[in-house]
Amino acid sequence: KQEVTQIPAALSVPEGENLVLNCSFTDSAIYNLQWFRQDPGKGLTSLLLIQSSQREQTSGRLNASLDKSSGRSTLYIAASQPGDSATYLCAVGTGANNLFFGTGTRLTVIP
Amino acid sequence: DTAVSQTPKYLVTQMGNDKSIKCEQNLGHDTMYWYKQDSKKFLKIMFSYNNKELIINETVPNRFSPKSPDKAHLNLHINSLELGDSAVYFCASSNVGQSLFLSSYEQYFGPGTRLTVT
Repeated sequence: KQEVTQIPAALSVPEGENLVLNCSFTDSAIYNLQWFRQDPGKGLTSLLLIQSSQREQTSGRLNASLDKSSGRSTLYIAASQPGDSATYLCAVGTGANNLFFGTGTRLTVIP
Repeated sequence: DTAVSQTPKYLVTQMGNDKSIKCEQNLGHDTMYWYKQDSKKFLKIMFSYNNKELIINETVPNRFSPKSPDKAHLNLHINSLELGDSAVYFCASSNVGQSLFLSSYEQYFGPGTRLTVT
């Protein structure tokens, strides 16, 4: 059964710092990996989707990498801003487009 | 312009009641999902529907039943509500296409429905 772990569970950084969020999964037979952002009391916003055949995806200050063989993905956020404060969720897509979610990393960017 | 919408946003009800949560997507997607986020913020899939067929059914009590009147809607009916059903329920949609096992499409989530059972 697929298990997804995110480390750290919480992270506080000063504004302007670059940071990396980690995601690991136990079964490398995946179709895709998706990073989401969740603000308190809100829904999920999709940030990046990496197909299983890809190594990375970029959107603005965000860069996500995927290493299927080692069961790892990272989300790199450049020049962090207070508005980046949220919980970041990693989700692994398996057959039939099922998504297995990690437990999330709660990010606080301090002005 | 909301892509995936859910109603109601909040639902407070007593144990034993039957309730429904509605979900609509205007993205033209062919697959819709229901997820449950528990008090520890862990998200887990409950159901997905593709072209009116149930294709995933995780270990969810049969008190929960998804109903899809058409491709744009997937409603969640819950019978005999229990305290443990209290959670936030999210609807999502994606475009899977003809072959489910070649799916690599992005899922879009609704804003969630916070259900509180007293």
